[in-house]
Amino acid sequence: KNEVEQSPQNLTAQEGEFITINCSYSVGISALHWLQQHPGGGIVSLFMLSSGKKKHGRLIATINIQEKHSSLHITASHPRDSAVYICAVPNFGNEKLTFGTGTRLTIIP
Amino acid sequence: NAGVMQNPRHLVRRRGQEARLRCSPMKGHSHVYWYRQLPEEGLKFMVYLQKENIIDESGMPKERFSAEFPKEGPSILRIQQVVRGDSAAYFCASSPMSFRTGNGYTFGSGTRLTVV
Repeated sequence: KNEVEQSPQNLTAQEGEFITINCSYSVGISALHWLQQHPGGGIVSLFMLSSGKKKHGRLIATINIQEKHSSLHITASHPRDSAVYICAVPNFGNEKLTFGTGTRLTIIP
Repeated sequence: NAGVMQNPRHLVRRRGQEARLRCSPMKGHSHVYWYRQLPEEGLKFMVYLQKENIIDESGMPKERFSAEFPKEGPSILRIQQVVRGDSAAYFCASSPMSFRTGNGYTFGSGTRLTVV
């Protein structure tokens, strides 16, 4: 089973700050998901990536397959970015996703 | 494309009643996954289905829970004789083919089940 660790668990920052959330996993994977969940809300898939880097607006996701590590960055953070960010990886050889415990991000105006 | 549709959004059931949660995958998606998020806990896999087949139900509790994805119509997650511990958010996701091929999931908005 793939073990997934996220850090930090909680992060509070001022509006405009550069944000980094980290995700490490234990077993080699084909692709990794970054998800966003607002309180009481649904889950939005931000990125799926299997190598290198992806960018969407102010969000950037990177992955290092050799080191089994991924990061999610938010540039020029805004209060509306306040949410829980979750990384998820498939278990090797089957379809289940294993999720990190999430990082609760709060951006203060 | 309406995305993954889950209904109801909120469901309240008394202990002992049955809960039926529905998930309509995105058009063209034949793979459905159900996940549960208990209060203050992370998401946990429950079951993976393709049309008319259960592929992996290793995350489903052994009793009271069942899932189906018929040839026609939505996928249904059914919980019989609900207990307070079943109160959670239940999320459905769909994909056009196996996740391992790199095609992404799309998640629904979830059904929040409250057992009173």
